Amino acid sequence: GAVVSQHPSWVICKSGTSVKIECRSLDFQATTMFWYRQFPKQSLMLMATSNEGSKATYEQGVEKDKFLINHASLTLSTLTVTSAHPEDSSFYICSWTSGRWGSYEQYFGPGTRLTVT
Amino acid sequence: DAKTTQPNSMESNEEEPVHLPCNHSTISGTDYIHWYRQLPSQGPEYVIHGLTSNVNNRMASLAIAEDRKSSTLILHRATLRDAAVYYCILYSGGGADGLTFGKGTHLIIQP
Repeated sequence: GAVVSQHPSWVICKSGTSVKIECRSLDFQATTMFWYRQFPKQSLMLMATSNEGSKATYEQGVEKDKFLINHASLTLSTLTVTSAHPEDSSFYICSWTSGRWGSYEQYFGPGTRLTVT
Repeated sequence: DAKTTQPNSMESNEEEPVHLPCNHSTISGTDYIHWYRQLPSQGPEYVIHGLTSNVNNRMASLAIAEDRKSSTLILHRATLRDAAVYYCILYSGGGADGLTFGKGTHLIIQP
């Protein structure tokens, strides 16, 4: 399967600061990617969908001004958590797919654990 | 996408086959059945997916009922590394939709 990397793997930041998370697809180019977050002992929840060259589409309840997504290329996307607060502490995971239909699988990054103090 | 129902947890012994069930009685004709698994503190890993016919790959097999209202993920010979949460997800895609994860099945492998 495809290889996806995320950086950093974990980060601790102070409340009010911003944090940038990178997601790279290492061995294939994909037009569509997704950002998910996972709170402790819960399942993954989709935050936003991003297509290269277009603005990201955010799920209901996810603040687009707080979670800035930049889909820079077919292999790189970044998620910036602005003015982070302790309730933003979570496991953030990206995934890539080479197609937007059910016949295509998604490849996930290893995740980034964000702790806001 | 339609909803799936999975047991909360299952337990199996190492080196034995494991059958993980998934019910999806409201599946639509365009829904593919996807399986992903997540090891602790890691991102999910793609396992297998199918539409109507049974599927095999190096990781597992997917058996799909004739009416497509249920499916079973089969791990032919479980190892300790297979201990994870397994998610059965219906996905038709076709737009801005990512995957909708349920609670999944927590598979415990006993040595």
